[in-house]
Amino acid sequence: EDQVTQSPEALRLQEGESSSLNCSYTVSGLRGLFWYRQDPGKGPEFLFTLYSAGEEKEKERLKATLTKKESFLHITAPKPEDSATYLCAATLIQGAQKLVFGQGTRLTINP
Amino acid sequence: DAGVTQSPTHLIKTRGQQVTLRCSPKSGHDTVSWYQQALGQGPQFIFQYYEEEERQRGNFPDRFSGHQFPNYSSELNVNALLLGDSALYLCASSYQGGVTQYFGPGTRLLVL
Repeated sequence: EDQVTQSPEALRLQEGESSSLNCSYTVSGLRGLFWYRQDPGKGPEFLFTLYSAGEEKEKERLKATLTKKESFLHITAPKPEDSATYLCAATLIQGAQKLVFGQGTRLTINP
Repeated sequence: DAGVTQSPTHLIKTRGQQVTLRCSPKSGHDTVSWYQQALGQGPQFIFQYYEEEERQRGNFPDRFSGHQFPNYSSELNVNALLLGDSALYLCASSYQGGVTQYFGPGTRLLVL
């Protein structure tokens, strides 16, 4: 069964304290690996798409990386406004563009 | 450039009733997917529409049905509502051949 698992479930950091979020996936043929940010009560906001192992993408304080079994979202010197739930999702080679999501990591940055 | 829009933003229904949620895709997009997100969980795929037909369906009962119109907008219908249907319903759009899906703000459904 296609599965995406994120860890930790929740993470609390001090402002400026860098860390990483993990997303491991077991899918039958990965087409793309996605990271979204979701604020409470709102829809997910697209951050990155990764397609192949070794690929990296950056946006401000965020950097996403991909290996054959997992993806990491690195957060460098975070600010309170980076507080949100970060969702990882995979889409498969076979079939339509269905996204398989992890349960998310709830990130809190304290000032 | 308007993003994905959904209506209504919030809805309260009672058990056994029926509900219709609406979605307009991002400009230039022709594919619409619907997801259900329970509190504290990741979104779960309901189904996807392209060229007015359902292309793929997740593990949801037949009480969940949908439609896509010629202008690519879409509706999600849920019949015989259960308490467990309370959730945030998300619409996402993309274009055929593309990979990235863009989400709307969601409709919060509460079933009492």
